[in-house]
Amino acid sequence: DQQVKQNSPSLSVQEGRISILNCDYTNSMFDYFLWYKKYPAEGPTFLISISSIKDKNEDGRFTVFLNKSAKHLSLHIVPSQPGDSAVYFCAASAVGNEKLTFGTGTRLTIIP
Amino acid sequence: ETGVTQTPRHLVMGMTNKKSLKCEQHLGHNAMYWYKQSAKKPLELMFVYNFKEQTENNSVPSRFSPECPNSSHLFLHLHTLQPEDSALYLCASSRGGEGQETQYFGPGTRLLVL
Repeated sequence: DQQVKQNSPSLSVQEGRISILNCDYTNSMFDYFLWYKKYPAEGPTFLISISSIKDKNEDGRFTVFLNKSAKHLSLHIVPSQPGDSAVYFCAASAVGNEKLTFGTGTRLTIIP
Repeated sequence: ETGVTQTPRHLVMGMTNKKSLKCEQHLGHNAMYWYKQSAKKPLELMFVYNFKEQTENNSVPSRFSPECPNSSHLFLHLHTLQPEDSALYLCASSRGGEGQETQYFGPGTRLLVL
């Protein structure tokens, strides 16, 4: 049973525009959510996280939004740059637990 | 060196070989993890070590044997693997044991089993 789902396997966005990546989860015990970026042949790189007590967290061009009632989070990248082309994974952990559950990833391609 | 390092970066082995993957973290963390990433699948957690004690074994076959001699080093010993074990093996570390933790990943070892 996939507890963290990224339903879009790929997304293409024009350079300079906003990229929006989505993630849904089913486990109501999840209280911490993270986004990772992964280039080919490299490990995932941590981007941004959000605790369930917040509904928004911003870091430079990256903003994560959390809608607990809908069990949905999204990552906004604005403006999108060519270097943002990568696979993006969302992940979640449950209360008091360090284990992360990952989604299957969304491949983002930024078109120059 | 900083962050999480893994060696080797690439490994080709036969089904009868024995090899080991090494991970080292320079972040002062107390928890370390092994993940497997196969094509088109989410990252699969294999093992968790917290303060050198194994706290999670996610139904991993015994042909994979982890070892954590101290909080900075983690090994994955491999023996009699199968071709379907070919994957990217990732190591990660985090503060340890409290939840709401960010894990930091190494670059991975790309394993091919012939």
